[in-house]
Amino acid sequence: KNEVEQSPQNLTAQEGEFITINCSYSVGISALHWLQQHPGGGIVSLFMLSSGKKKHGRLIATINIQEKHSSLHITASHPRDSAVYICAVDNTDKLIFGTGTRLQVFP
Amino acid sequence: EAGVTQSPTHLIKTRGQQATLRCSPISGHTSVYWYQQALGLGLQFLLWYDEGEERNRGNFPPRFSGRQFPNYSSELNVNALELEDSALYLCASSSDRGLYEQYFGPGTRLTVT
Repeated sequence: KNEVEQSPQNLTAQEGEFITINCSYSVGISALHWLQQHPGGGIVSLFMLSSGKKKHGRLIATINIQEKHSSLHITASHPRDSAVYICAVDNTDKLIFGTGTRLQVFP
Repeated sequence: EAGVTQSPTHLIKTRGQQATLRCSPISGHTSVYWYQQALGLGLQFLLWYDEGEERNRGNFPPRFSGRQFPNYSSELNVNALELEDSALYLCASSSDRGLYEQYFGPGTRLTVT
């Protein structure tokens, strides 16, 4: 079993839909990161959080430390949100990555 | 402000050769991280350098090595290349020690034939 599990693996949506991507982890962490990777490989850090909730534009990330679970929400999804979303946990001075969720948003 | 830069963009080597990949962090960042993303696999942590020293390494053989220079730029060296070393190698930097928010470079795509 992977130390960081993401679901779903693949997700398709119509423009405007509300999207939720989930991340569960089994190790102790000091922080959790949500990353976005576009075709071609470029990675952008979306959030780093250790408790509660963070919001940036249409993106919201939450974490429940007790349940070892985090969610990434996208409100009013848009085709430009199409990308792979990766959850990563900060464990003993290294990041452990989930396998990613491939999101496709159609107009 | 310039972001993290990596060179070369693409690198083609044959099995058994050595590859050198370079990374320049964001100005003021002292920590540099290297990651490997092999085709069909997720990202894996390779190495972490901070203030010129190796702070942590992932589960990779010793032929993966690197260094960090006084200007905080970094080099990743892969010796005795194997076909399965073909991957996208990503560098990231962060400010101060520890794993604060990381900023990623565009990556170097290494192909081993």
